Amino acid sequence: AQKITQTQPGMFVQEKEAVTLDCTYDTSDPSYGLFWYKQPSSGEMIFLIYQGSYDQQNATEGRYSLNFQKARKSANLVISASQLGDSAMYFCAMREGPAGNKLTFGGGTRVLVKP
Amino acid sequence: GAVVSQHPSWVICKSGTSVKIECRSLDFQATTMFWYRQFPKKSLMLMATSNEGSKATYEQGVEKDKFLINHASLTLSTLTVTSAHPEDSSFYICSAPGLAGFNNEQFFGPGTRLTVL
Repeated sequence: AQKITQTQPGMFVQEKEAVTLDCTYDTSDPSYGLFWYKQPSSGEMIFLIYQGSYDQQNATEGRYSLNFQKARKSANLVISASQLGDSAMYFCAMREGPAGNKLTFGGGTRVLVKP
Repeated sequence: GAVVSQHPSWVICKSGTSVKIECRSLDFQATTMFWYRQFPKKSLMLMATSNEGSKATYEQGVEKDKFLINHASLTLSTLTVTSAHPEDSSFYICSAPGLAGFNNEQFFGPGTRLTVL
C-alpha cells in the first residue's frame, strides 16, 4: 500500500486565488511528521511547512497552511493568494518515527498558476 | 536554515565510467544523510541511508555494488555510480536531517543531474 498519496497529478489555479493540494498518508506509528516541499523547474527542494503528529494546531507559514485531519489521515496544503511564482511541483512527504528518519514522498502535484 | 551542497551540479559521462557525487553539510554536522533518485516528472525515491562511520543502508531493489556510498566524515557523504549506463541517467538529490530546533526539517542539496551517453 502507498504510504503517501497525492491524487491530483496536475492543477490549474487562477492568480490570486487559493488552491488546496490533497495528501493522504498511511502509518501505524503514533509519532510521525508530515512535510510539504516545492520543487521548481530548477530541481531544488524548497521546504514549505511541517506538521507533527502530536501538534494540536494546524501549521501555518505565511501563505501556506496545512489542513491536518488526523482521523482521516490527511494533510492537505492550502496556498492562499496564488502567485505566478507558485507554479511548480509540490510534494507531500512523511517521516515515521523520530526526527532524523528518512522521508517517504508522494507522487507530487504540478501546479500551474494562470495570470 | 542549514545548507547542504552537492557537487557536481551536472555531469555527462560515457557508458561504463564511474561518477562520484559529493554531498556536504556546510554549517552543521550530519551523522546521517539520505540519497534520493528522481526520474523526469516523477517523485523522489529513497535509494539509501548514509551513516557516518558505518555501512550505508540500501532500500530494497537498489544495487549496493552499483551505487557505492561512503560517509567518511560528519559533513561529507559520497555516492559513486559505478560502470554507469544510460538507464542510470537521473537526478540525484541528497538530504540531511537538521538538528533539534530546526523544526524537524530535512535539508536538501540542489541535486546532481547525471546523463550517461
